[in-house]
Amino acid sequence: ETGVTQSPTHLIKTRGQQVTLRCSSQSGHNTVSWYQQALGQGPQFIFQYYREEENGRGNFPPRFSGLQFPNYSSELNVNALELDDSALYLCASGGVNTEAFFGQGTRLTVV
Amino acid sequence: SQQGEEDPQALSIQEGENATMNCSYKTSINNLQWYRQNSGRGLVHLILIRSNEREKHSGRLRVTLDTSKKSSSLLITASRAADTASYFCATPLSGGYNKLIFGAGTRLAVHP
Repeated sequence: ETGVTQSPTHLIKTRGQQVTLRCSSQSGHNTVSWYQQALGQGPQFIFQYYREEENGRGNFPPRFSGLQFPNYSSELNVNALELDDSALYLCASGGVNTEAFFGQGTRLTVV
Repeated sequence: SQQGEEDPQALSIQEGENATMNCSYKTSINNLQWYRQNSGRGLVHLILIRSNEREKHSGRLRVTLDTSKKSSSLLITASRAADTASYFCATPLSGGYNKLIFGAGTRLAVHP
């Protein structure tokens, strides 16, 4: 157990809809990052939040957005869902100079 | 493009054998991490090796880092069926330990 929990575990959405995924970070960790993992590929970095501010973004469009709350929980929001957004979404929490601890992920299917 | 590339893409061995996976990366790094993923679920952190370290051990795992060749290897000794998983190397994106660039991974199958 990493102490990082994600909800929901599975989700099915229709193309064009919006989705919110949630992550509860491990106590004491002040960074949370989100990753997208398509089937058969490695995770791709979406963005990181540090002290409730975005602190770096990968090659993802603005319809991917996030929030980090004072209790270090976090949300990933995706607007205008596309079929290619179907993937496993992982959040990872950590300190600034420590390794990342991953949650079990949310599997999103867009139909 | 991805920073790290693992080799081989897939590896099939018998229990008790050793498994070696390699990772190459493109830019200078201050650390490299190895993760395991079972059945497409969450990633489990295995080892972090810093750029000033050449080798690190954790139980049956041995990681080496050659910064001159921009490569790392993960050795699992005396493998078990429970080691069946995908293994990824990850390097930091512009500093920081939780902005990671992953390779495509090595899928390891250990047969009883």
